Amino acid sequence: AQKVTQAQTEISVVEKEDVTLDCVYETRDTTYYLFWYKQPPSGELVFLIRRNSFDEQNEISGRYSWNFQKSTSSFNFTITASQVVDSAVYFCALSEAGSARQLTFGSGTQLTVLP
Amino acid sequence: ETGVTQTPRHLVMGMTNKKSLKCEQHLGHNAMYWYKQSAKKPLELMFVYNFKEQTENNSVPSRFSPECPNSSHLFLHLHTLQPEDSALYLCASSQDRSGVAYTGELFFGEGSRLTVL
Repeated sequence: AQKVTQAQTEISVVEKEDVTLDCVYETRDTTYYLFWYKQPPSGELVFLIRRNSFDEQNEISGRYSWNFQKSTSSFNFTITASQVVDSAVYFCALSEAGSARQLTFGSGTQLTVLP
Repeated sequence: ETGVTQTPRHLVMGMTNKKSLKCEQHLGHNAMYWYKQSAKKPLELMFVYNFKEQTENNSVPSRFSPECPNSSHLFLHLHTLQPEDSALYLCASSQDRSGVAYTGELFFGEGSRLTVL
């Protein structure tokens, strides 16, 4: 069975600080996909990134970066120079190749960026 | 604007009422989903429709009844709900392409906040 753990329930930082959101996953499949979604106060989840299990290259997109490490089953998300608009709930999710459309979400991390 | 519209945004109903949640996607996608988001809990997948056919039903109680008349519209009919059904119900859509590995990119609506008294 697949499982996603986001141990940090809430994080508060001051604007311009860097912050890392942790995600640890469990799966028996060798082929799987990992995701991050952002949920702002308006409610809709916004897709941020997808990684497949064969691509361990870290990715950077502007102030966002992701560190995928299969050895520790982690897919951490770092926001550099955080801004107030980054305040949201962030969800990590996992999908196994053999269970199409079955995204398993973590419980989310509430990030608050203070001015 | 994500291209997925949910109505109503807020709904309060008694345990004996019958109501429906509506979702419409303007993205030309062929798969639609209902998720339940309760406080302090992970999102729970409820139903999946692909090309209007229900492909997933994750042991959801029968008091929740989905309907997908076409690939752009999805309903969730509610009747005799319980207070623990109070949650944010999120609709999502995706483009499933035959022969292409599932990518998992879902487009979500803003949700319908349901309160059952």
